[in-house]
Amino acid sequence: AQSVAQPEDQVNVAEGNPLTVKCTYSVSGNPYLFWYVQYPNRGLQFLLKYITGDNLVKGSYGFEAEFNKSQTSFHLKKPSALVSDSALYFCAVRDGNAGNMLTFGGGTRLMVKP
Amino acid sequence: EAGVVQSPRYKIIEKKQPVAFWCNPISGHNTLYWYLQNLGQGPELLIRYENEEAVDDSQLPKDRFSAERLKGVDSTLKIQPAELGDSAVYLCASSPQGMMGEQYFGPGTRLTVT
Repeated sequence: AQSVAQPEDQVNVAEGNPLTVKCTYSVSGNPYLFWYVQYPNRGLQFLLKYITGDNLVKGSYGFEAEFNKSQTSFHLKKPSALVSDSALYFCAVRDGNAGNMLTFGGGTRLMVKP
Repeated sequence: EAGVVQSPRYKIIEKKQPVAFWCNPISGHNTLYWYLQNLGQGPELLIRYENEEAVDDSQLPKDRFSAERLKGVDSTLKIQPAELGDSAVYLCASSPQGMMGEQYFGPGTRLTVT
């Protein structure tokens, strides 16, 4: 079975500071990893993905994520946070070797304060 | 291009009543998903369609939930009868054939059962 853990319910950061939203995963095969963002009353919006290749993946709105196979982590990062980045962030994983099911983490609320 | 369209956006019904949700995926996307999202949690897959065929419905409570995707385009998710615990946001998503890439989500239907 595959699973995703987002250990922080909420992350608070000041505008202009770097941010990190943590994600760890568990799959039996090769992981396909995704980050989505959800703004209030909106559907989930794709940010970035890791399938293969470079461990550092760059995505939309200046976000990036680093795949770490030994730590089974895929943390989301941004060098300088904006107030408009405040939203709910979801990490998701799919087992590349078995099936097409995408499993989401419980989400982390990012609060960026001016 | 137009995104995933869902209707209605909000629905309030009394328990034991039936309810239906409609989804129009992005043109050309063969794969369609219905997810359930409880407040403060990540989406959970209910059913996945590849064209007209439901290929993964193991999480769909078949005693009261049903879904169809006639002609491999639009889809309808139905609950009959609704229970208080069905109150949640129902998300529809679509993706091009294959699951290498990201999914595109609609805004969701917020269901309240009273």
